[in-house]
Amino acid sequence: KAGVTQTPRYLIKTRGQQVTLSCSPISGHRSVSWYQQTPGQGLQFLFEYFSETQRNKGNFPGRFSGRQFSNSRSEMNVSTLELGDSALYLCASSFYRQGLYSGYTFGSGTRLTVV
Amino acid sequence: TQLLEQSPQFLSIQEGENLTVYCNSSSVFSSLQWYRQEPGEGPVLLVTVVTGGEVKKLKRLTFQFGDARKDSSLHITAAQPGDTGLYLCAWTSGSRLTFGEGTQLTVNP
Repeated sequence: KAGVTQTPRYLIKTRGQQVTLSCSPISGHRSVSWYQQTPGQGLQFLFEYFSETQRNKGNFPGRFSGRQFSNSRSEMNVSTLELGDSALYLCASSFYRQGLYSGYTFGSGTRLTVV
Repeated sequence: TQLLEQSPQFLSIQEGENLTVYCNSSSVFSSLQWYRQEPGEGPVLLVTVVTGGEVKKLKRLTFQFGDARKDSSLHITAAQPGDTGLYLCAWTSGSRLTFGEGTQLTVNP
């Protein structure tokens, strides 16, 4: 089956701009989570969406937002970009049933560079 | 917040050697996952451990979960260059994964 697809793979933006990243989960997975990976902070949880609702949120400023569509595809938006937002942004999809998550699968990520 | 400490941070070995990497916390894990990440790619799930004392094997990789569920280890036998990557442990809390900083393993041919 197809894996988690993230687009674009690479992106270069200027400080102050905004950016939208996309994630298509594995078919049947309704939970999509987003993570930021940087050399200094490692992998950090941004937020999780399930059935078009944000169910969990990490400790990031409000400039980071997301949404999920009825087909489970998710987008993440970062507004007013800062140099420190340069990172690999990863999404992970998982299967949720009766309170348990399984089948965590990450996409290849979007490498965002802010100049 | 449950913090995960991984050691060593970096490990460089020759092909054929054995190695062990560790993941520790002062708190009890509900469950723990191990991932391997290659440059420019997302982490790939290797195993999930849930029960204290559990041992799982995946070919040359052996994963152990401490009896008290506060620590875990990953042992690789006869390492190969293809094992090179960043090994991450992660505590699972619902959908949220909290990662350790990882062990960067390099296996030289």
